Amino acid sequence: GENVEQHPSTLSVQEGDSAVIKCTYSDSASNYFPWYKQELGKRPQLIIDIRSNVGEKKDQRIAVTLNKTAKHFSLHITETQPEDSAVYFCAASGNTDKLIFGTGTRLQVFP
Amino acid sequence: DTEVTQTPKHLVMGMTNKKSLKCEQHMGHRAMYWYKQKAKKPPELMFVYSYEKLSINESVPSRFSPECPNSSLLNLHLHALQPEDSALYLCASSPDAGQPSYEQYFGPGTRLTVT
Repeated sequence: GENVEQHPSTLSVQEGDSAVIKCTYSDSASNYFPWYKQELGKRPQLIIDIRSNVGEKKDQRIAVTLNKTAKHFSLHITETQPEDSAVYFCAASGNTDKLIFGTGTRLQVFP
Repeated sequence: DTEVTQTPKHLVMGMTNKKSLKCEQHMGHRAMYWYKQKAKKPPELMFVYSYEKLSINESVPSRFSPECPNSSLLNLHLHALQPEDSALYLCASSPDAGQPSYEQYFGPGTRLTVT
């Protein structure tokens, strides 16, 4: 079955710096890759997603890139702000209705 | 309405109790999901309902019993739980199921404590 690895597990950056979180997946049939942000005590919130027919997608300060050949995808956050502090989960989905999540990255943005 | 709602927000129950968690969405979504999330871990899929029919059961113990009364509602019936079942239970919905994969939207969750 699908396996998703996520790195790093924790990431600390200064406000205004960029943050990059990387995920790799094992199932070449996976075709949908969402990213979720989860603040403490809150629901996972879908922040951006990408499908396998696209290499990059941007939404204001966040972007996701996908390399199908290498089977990895990354989340890029530019001009980080304290409110970006949260746990970020990547996920992958292929031939089933199942989302397979990565283990999460705790991002801390220091003012 | 663009939200998934869940009740109750918090639930404390003994091991002999029977309780139910409720989830509702009014976005016309045809797939609904139950996840379990332990602290500092990712959500873990339990059940998937597609067009009101159970399509995936991730080998969940029978003390958890899902029910989908209609396309907007999803219940999770709990009976004879164990302390290790204490967790955040998340409901999610997506516009459709199957291929291509659709985005999933999560509810706020029910924080369950089993004593």
